[in-house]
Amino acid sequence: DGGITQSPKYLFRKEGQNVTLSCEQNLNHDAMYWYRQDPGQGLRLIYYSQIVNDFQKGDIAEGYSVSREKKESFPLTVTSAQKNPTAFYLCASSIGDRDPTEQFFGPGTRLTVL
Amino acid sequence: QKEVEQDPGPLSVPEGAIVSLNCTYSNSAFQYFMWYRQYSRKGPELLMYTYSSGNKEDGRFTAQVDKSSKYISLFIRDSQPSDSATYLCAMSAGTGKLIFGQGTTLQVKP
Repeated sequence: DGGITQSPKYLFRKEGQNVTLSCEQNLNHDAMYWYRQDPGQGLRLIYYSQIVNDFQKGDIAEGYSVSREKKESFPLTVTSAQKNPTAFYLCASSIGDRDPTEQFFGPGTRLTVL
Repeated sequence: QKEVEQDPGPLSVPEGAIVSLNCTYSNSAFQYFMWYRQYSRKGPELLMYTYSSGNKEDGRFTAQVDKSSKYISLFIRDSQPSDSATYLCAMSAGTGKLIFGQGTTLQVKP
């Protein structure tokens, strides 16, 4: 079955630690995205990548980093510089920079800072 | 002012009611309009997609876009308890980036 997987489903982090969230897709999509979702705020774009070895900052990139070494994978690292990292993180992918811009989402990772 | 505004609700209706969900936007470059449905603690899934102005119907769901008023709507007829979810509008100017509304939480009571 084609789709997007995210792991882990739940993640707990101590203050001052970096953590990496995994996102893998087997849809052969060129573009991948990371969003953060907080209650009552919808989805906010952290980073996106439209091609391997290239990525761009979204609206709230501070305190986060990404890499795109493979087409299938787009891991997100939440660094200790992120002041309020507790949130629900969603990874998405799309065919690419073309129309329609339908994005397919993974099941999400809920990160809690202890 | 946010580019996309959506009433967060929550909205509670009895089973069988007609539900109207709405978003307004400020960017006249938006051409692609989508509605995503998100069940609790799950990723969003695409429900409806429309290009430019007009209506689109899919079963009990109808999406409307009025570009002159910068206003989009999603109507749900004969609402069911299984429709209880958060509904997110999303828009794009064709750049590959989607701008999401805050989401409206809907509860359909049996």
